[in-house]
Amino acid sequence: KNEVEQSPQNLTAQEGEFITINCSYSVGISALHWLQQHPGGGIVSLFMLSSGKKKHGRLIATINIQEKHSSLHITASHPRDSAVYICAFEKTSYDKVIFGPGTSLSVIP
Amino acid sequence: EPEVTQTPSHQVTQMGQEVILRCVPISNHLYFYWYRQILGQKVEFLVSFYNNEISEKSEIFDDQFSVERPDGSNFTLKIRSTKLEDSAMYFCASSGTGIPPHFGNGTRLTVT
Repeated sequence: KNEVEQSPQNLTAQEGEFITINCSYSVGISALHWLQQHPGGGIVSLFMLSSGKKKHGRLIATINIQEKHSSLHITASHPRDSAVYICAFEKTSYDKVIFGPGTSLSVIP
Repeated sequence: EPEVTQTPSHQVTQMGQEVILRCVPISNHLYFYWYRQILGQKVEFLVSFYNNEISEKSEIFDDQFSVERPDGSNFTLKIRSTKLEDSAMYFCASSGTGIPPHFGNGTRLTVT
């Protein structure tokens, strides 16, 4: 059984649309990560969350610990947002990161 | 912002050859990791390293793999005798107290 699941698997949006990517996990965690992976392959950390909500520019990440659910929102999406967005978590601090399958986002002009 | 640096960016090797993938973690980080991503699949944990020893390893990390921090700055992953199925993107990561993991740009290993 996958410990972390994401939906949707693939997403195509028009430029300017509001985008939501969902993540659910099945175990207790110390931190949840949202990561971005561009076609070149490099992984960039967007957010690390243990509770509540964080905002950085047009990106917002929320987490509900009781429901074991997190969302990543992108406001006013842009073609440069096209990438794979990965939800991942650590069960304890400094533990290995367990990765979700990723959501492939394509934003078309 | 400090970065995790990985070299080479792409390595092509023949089956059975040894490869060493190199990483320079962020200097004040204490925890180091290797992950791999087979094309089209999710990222998988290989090994974590703390205080100059392996703290955890996955089932993938068998006797063909080893890690070293030879000089206090570099962190290397060695594959002794590569197999076709070792072809993947390998990511190094490091983290510190209260600091989320930082990932390198990866080394794409192609075994022919």
